[in-house]
Amino acid sequence: EVHLVESGGGLVKPGGSLRLSCAASGLIFHDAWMSWVRQAPGKGLEWVGRIKSKGAGGTIDYAAPVRGRFTISRDDSINTIYLQMNSLKTEDTAVYYCVWSGLFWFASWGQGTLVTVSS
Amino acid sequence: QSVLTQPPSVSAAPGQKVTISCSGDTSNIGSNSVSWYQQLPGTAPKLLIYENIERHSGIPDRFSGSKSGTSATLGITGLQTGDEADYHCGSWDSRLSAFVFGTGTKVTVL
Repeated sequence: EVHLVESGGGLVKPGGSLRLSCAASGLIFHDAWMSWVRQAPGKGLEWVGRIKSKGAGGTIDYAAPVRGRFTISRDDSINTIYLQMNSLKTEDTAVYYCVWSGLFWFASWGQGTLVTVSS
Repeated sequence: QSVLTQPPSVSAAPGQKVTISCSGDTSNIGSNSVSWYQQLPGTAPKLLIYENIERHSGIPDRFSGSKSGTSATLGITGLQTGDEADYHCGSWDSRLSAFVFGTGTKVTVL
């Protein structure tokens, strides 16, 4: 069974930075495409970005609202992906989910970590 | 900034059937597959349907998906109180080069 555990969420001021981590188990991690999806309080789901496996080119794609501010990376040696978030805005407040991705779907989700951007 | 449109809510009595629509355009649903997710209150979403019609592992056949043109539909038959949840559709958008989700639909069992 795939198990994803996010960490690193918390309260940060506008303009600040935060790095989220996601530890994965139960899957062949170096072959896995991984994504981040967020959900603002009381709102719908919003895709943040995706990192493909190195075997698939390691391409990273981002949603327009976070492009240039957020960076996704992976460390296959410890089955972990990261989301570095810079220049945070109040509208980035959300629960951030780490997700094991298929080509066009999201197969397994972590429990989520809450990021609150507020002064 | 949802690109896919879903009805805000649907409801039916236990044992009945509900359908949830997901409307997009030629750059997303019209040219890429659709997936569906169930989000029970206070929990993370769970994959129900991928590739328009394929049920994810462990998902009962009470849940079904279909797609026609630029719209997709999730059907739930034999409705149970445990099906009360938010349901989200999603698809890759080739014009945006991004994955887009629907606005979400709340299912209520009367």
